[in-house]
Amino acid sequence: AQSVTQLGSHVSVSEGALVLLRCNYSSSVPPYLFWYVQYPNQGLQLLLKYTSAATLVKGINGFEAEFKKSETSFHLTKPSAHMSDAAEYFCAVSPFGNEKLTFGTGTRLTIIP
Amino acid sequence: EAEVAQSPRYKITEKSQAVAFWCDPISGHATLYWYRQILGQGPELLVQFQDESVVDDSQLPKDRFSAERLKGVDSTLKIQPAELGDSAMYLCASSTTGVLAKNIQYFGAGTRLSVL
Repeated sequence: AQSVTQLGSHVSVSEGALVLLRCNYSSSVPPYLFWYVQYPNQGLQLLLKYTSAATLVKGINGFEAEFKKSETSFHLTKPSAHMSDAAEYFCAVSPFGNEKLTFGTGTRLTIIP
Repeated sequence: EAEVAQSPRYKITEKSQAVAFWCDPISGHATLYWYRQILGQGPELLVQFQDESVVDDSQLPKDRFSAERLKGVDSTLKIQPAELGDSAMYLCASSTTGVLAKNIQYFGAGTRLSVL
C-alpha cells in the first residue's frame, strides 16, 4: 500500500522568504510523486511530478522538489515566497504502472506581508 | 486550454434528498475519477472509470452512492439519500492512458455539497 505524510498542517512564511513544505512517502514499489496546489473553493492544479527521471523536479510558479529515496522524501521548495503562493498544498503518490493517487492531508501555506 | 467541467459548483440539500453531480472530462481522456474531499483533508478516490467501465469503486458507499459513464465521456455521480456526513467537495478528474501519460490527473473546480 502507498501513503504520504505531510508534516505540518499549517506553515507561515514571510514574503520573500524560503518556502519548505515536507512530504514523506511510503511505497512498496517505485512511486510516482506529485505536488498539487488548491486555492479556496477551487480544484487541484498540478505543480510538479516525479516519474523516475531526474531527482530534482522543477514545476510551475518557481516551485521545485527533490526526490530522495534514502529519506523517502519529496519536499517542496520555493526560494522566495510571494503573496499569491498562499494556498493549500497536497502531496500525492501513485505506484508505478497504477493510476490510483493517494493524497496527504495537505499543508496550508500562509504568506506574511 | 482544455478543462474538466463540473456542475453545479455549489449544492445545498436537505438530509434524505437525492443529489446528482455532473462531470465532463477533457476531450480524449479515457480515464475519469471522482474524489470526495472532506474539509481539512486530502481528496479520497470514490470511483475510477476507464472509458465506460468501472475500474475501482472499492471506496464508494454503494448503499447510497452510484456513478455512471454510459458513453465513456461525461459522468454523473448520485447520492440517494443524502446524509449530513456527505457534506464535502466532490472533485472530478481525468487523465489519458498509456505509459507516457504517467498518471497526470487534471481536476475540475469541484462541486461543494452542503447537507442540512
